[in-house]
Amino acid sequence: NAGVTQTPKFQVLKTGQSMTLQCAQDMNHNSMYWYRQDPGMGLRLIYYSASEGTTDKGEVPNGYNVSRLNKREFSLRLESAAPSQTSVYFCASRVGVNTEAFFGQGTRLTVV
Amino acid sequence: QKEVEQNSGPLSVPEGAIASLNCTYSDRGSQSFFWYRQYSGKSPELIMFIYSNGDKEDGRFTAQLNKASQYVSLLIRDSQPSDSATYLCALRDSGNTPLVFGKGTRLSVIA
Repeated sequence: NAGVTQTPKFQVLKTGQSMTLQCAQDMNHNSMYWYRQDPGMGLRLIYYSASEGTTDKGEVPNGYNVSRLNKREFSLRLESAAPSQTSVYFCASRVGVNTEAFFGQGTRLTVV
Repeated sequence: QKEVEQNSGPLSVPEGAIASLNCTYSDRGSQSFFWYRQYSGKSPELIMFIYSNGDKEDGRFTAQLNKASQYVSLLIRDSQPSDSATYLCALRDSGNTPLVFGKGTRLSVIA
């Protein structure tokens, strides 16, 4: 059981470039999440998918899009990267309402 | 906007002492509360969760919840240098809503 797997682990982008962060979970969880973590700001929710086929905006969705490809996979796309999107991105999943979230190992993204 | 407040620290305690980490929240409808530990450069990992008022113990860790006063705390007994990390408080309100996280408290256990 790999849990929650994120790719890539590290990425450097130039301003204006696009990229997709991939996330896959093998725990048959219904809900998946994308958070970003910046120094002193804690974990902030970007987008989430409560169940397969649904996606909703979180606290900081601007500049991002998501796709819930199937129950296992939830991707985050940056269409035109900006230096303000330099951050550590975490994908998480959980099985149901009253359960904890499990996190992937994170993607450290730098936009120059 | 739900708010989860934590003192950013650093909280420094000597080895063997009790570390007390506190979290207050604004939404009275919050139902479930979680404590995560995050080592530098790593992802958050769950330590404990608590749903009901009172204390919940797991080894050296005790979570305390007081819904009337809207606070949740984490006590770490016999603190070890390996406990040095950032501790994140998280909560969920009703329904299948995402966890909302505080900014975390950095704990340093001094040998």
